[in-house]
Amino acid sequence: GIQVEQSPPDLILQEGANSTLRCNFSDSVNNLQWFHQNPWGQLINLFYIPSGTKQNGRLSATTVATERYSLLYISSSQTTDSGVYFCAVAPNFGNEKLTFGTGTRLTIIP
Amino acid sequence: NAGVTQTPKFRILKIGQSMTLQCTQDMNHNYMYWYRQDPGMGLKLIYYSVGAGITDKGEVPNGYNVSRSTTEDFPLRLELAAPSQTSVYFCASSYKGTGTGTGNTIYFGEGSWLTVV
Repeated sequence: GIQVEQSPPDLILQEGANSTLRCNFSDSVNNLQWFHQNPWGQLINLFYIPSGTKQNGRLSATTVATERYSLLYISSSQTTDSGVYFCAVAPNFGNEKLTFGTGTRLTIIP
Repeated sequence: NAGVTQTPKFRILKIGQSMTLQCTQDMNHNYMYWYRQDPGMGLKLIYYSVGAGITDKGEVPNGYNVSRSTTEDFPLRLELAAPSQTSVYFCASSYKGTGTGTGNTIYFGEGSWLTVV
């Protein structure tokens, strides 16, 4: 099946810093989503972005489908941004079964 | 504005017992999913459904069963619980249309913490 790799696995930053999280995938996709799992375990959908660029406040994401990667940018980090960020993809001609990466754990220090 | 609701939130089972995790959504979504998340790991798909009466296996279906008799409900049945099924279980739903650009954003419930002892 499709492989999803996320980097870095862990990231510790001071409040106010910017960060870039990367998601590489092994096959063409028609569905790519970014999620934030907060310290209480709740999963929040951040972006549905199989291609192109989207922005939502301090967060933005870019997917370059032809090169099989996606980037999540977080600017002016806040402590509430802490948690694990997951990328999930579903392949072209598949059946919408999302495969998750192992995540990037982000810790924002006040 | 409930979204995806899972019950119970916490449960301890003894080895060999059975139980059902309930999941309901009020967004009229056609797709529903069950994932499990082991400590420090990503989510793995157990079963999914593209509509009432249709279910299919995901990556880790062994030891589980599902049914989808209505659009709203997608219960997950654990038969003969084993310690390897200790995990956090997430139900999710999404809407997939038939046209292009009908994105399939997925929404998760709050999770069910299951421990098998």
